[in-house]
Amino acid sequence: DGGITQSPKYLFRKEGQNVTLSCEQNLNHDAMYWYRQDPGQGLRLIYYSQIVNDFQKGDIAEGYSVSREKKESFPLTVTSAQKNPTAFYLCASTSGRAVLTDTQYFGPGTRLTVL
Amino acid sequence: GQQVMQIPQYQHVQEGEDFTTYCNSSTTLSNIQWYKQRPGGHPVFLIQLVKSGEVKKQKRLTFQFGEAKKNSSLHITATQTTDVGTYFCAGRGTYKYIFGTGTRLKVLA
Repeated sequence: DGGITQSPKYLFRKEGQNVTLSCEQNLNHDAMYWYRQDPGQGLRLIYYSQIVNDFQKGDIAEGYSVSREKKESFPLTVTSAQKNPTAFYLCASTSGRAVLTDTQYFGPGTRLTVL
Repeated sequence: GQQVMQIPQYQHVQEGEDFTTYCNSSTTLSNIQWYKQRPGGHPVFLIQLVKSGEVKKQKRLTFQFGEAKKNSSLHITATQTTDVGTYFCAGRGTYKYIFGTGTRLKVLA
């Protein structure tokens, strides 16, 4: 059963702590993305990766870091430098082989709350 | 930078009424995609429009792409309670997508 998994579903963090959100896909997709969604708002791009060992900053990368050591995995670390990290985080992937017409498949999301 | 706006932000309709959301881009889009996000869920791909003036239908949903490829609309005929959720458009930029702000639809039974 192919798809994207994110864990955990809910995450609580104390201020000043780093936390890593997991994203795994078994769709054999080349490209992966991280988005942040705040209540009642759209999706904002944090980081994206078109290929293993390469990634680019999105529109709101400050306070976040990523790695892409394996094709199927794209973890996101929310660092203590992120001033307002409480949000719903969504991971997505595309095949990467049809640049203009790829559709995105989303994971179920991780809801991060900073206490 | 490139921006994609959607209106309205919220829409409450009585079950059976029609619903339309509009998407406008500050620049010409190569294509536009529409997603639906149920409350508490994640966005799910609905459809993609590529050609200028393209119209596509999925049962009660009609999608249009403007002639100038800078705007798009989603129209739902005779809404049902299962249509509840937030509808997003997404314009394709180079290697990334620009999501609209979304329209949250509430259907009153």
